[in-house]
Amino acid sequence: GDSVTQMEGPVTLSEEAFLTINCTYTATGYPSLFWYVQYPGEGLQLLLKATKADDKGSNKGFEATYRKETTSFHLEKGSVQVSDSAVYFCALGGKYGNKLVFGAGTILRVKS
Amino acid sequence: DVKVTQSSRYLVKRTGEKVFLECVQDMDHENMFWYRQDPGLGLRLIYFSYDVKMKEKGDIPEGYSVSREKKERFSLILESASTNQTSMYLCASSFPQTGSSYNEQFFGPGTRLTVL
Repeated sequence: GDSVTQMEGPVTLSEEAFLTINCTYTATGYPSLFWYVQYPGEGLQLLLKATKADDKGSNKGFEATYRKETTSFHLEKGSVQVSDSAVYFCALGGKYGNKLVFGAGTILRVKS
Repeated sequence: DVKVTQSSRYLVKRTGEKVFLECVQDMDHENMFWYRQDPGLGLRLIYFSYDVKMKEKGDIPEGYSVSREKKERFSLILESASTNQTSMYLCASSFPQTGSSYNEQFFGPGTRLTVL
């Protein structure tokens, strides 16, 4: 079945460092891909998405490109801030009715 | 502003108790979902509903049931709580898929349930 694999965390960075969180997927067909973020004490919120190969999703300085050839959707940010500390989830759109398949999540800690 | 609210942020129950978790959304979404979130496992789908009185099992439905009597409300029921159901429970809602375009799921803040 469909699955998502994320790099294990926690990832600890200093402020203004470059961020990459790896995400690869296994799916039949051409799923949509998402990054969700969960700030401490809150539910998940959509960070960015891409619906077809070579699409780039971007929001709040974060970017991810849908790479069909490597089945990847890595999250990047050029300069992280303390306020980016959160749990990041990669997800793919399943076959039916907006069901999503989530990765295990990656904790990001940014130190000042 | 879309709002998904959950009845409790924290809940402590005893083994064998019947537990109700309530979720309400105010965006007239057809789809509603219940997930549980556990460290290292991400979010796993328990049940979802795509219309009033309609429900479908997700990946881990055992030990749970759901009820959707009104469009805006989706309840998760633990008939007889067990310690392995201690977890964070997240509710979400969305509009239905339109063609090949997936619509964003909006999440509530979660209920942290502890079963003693």
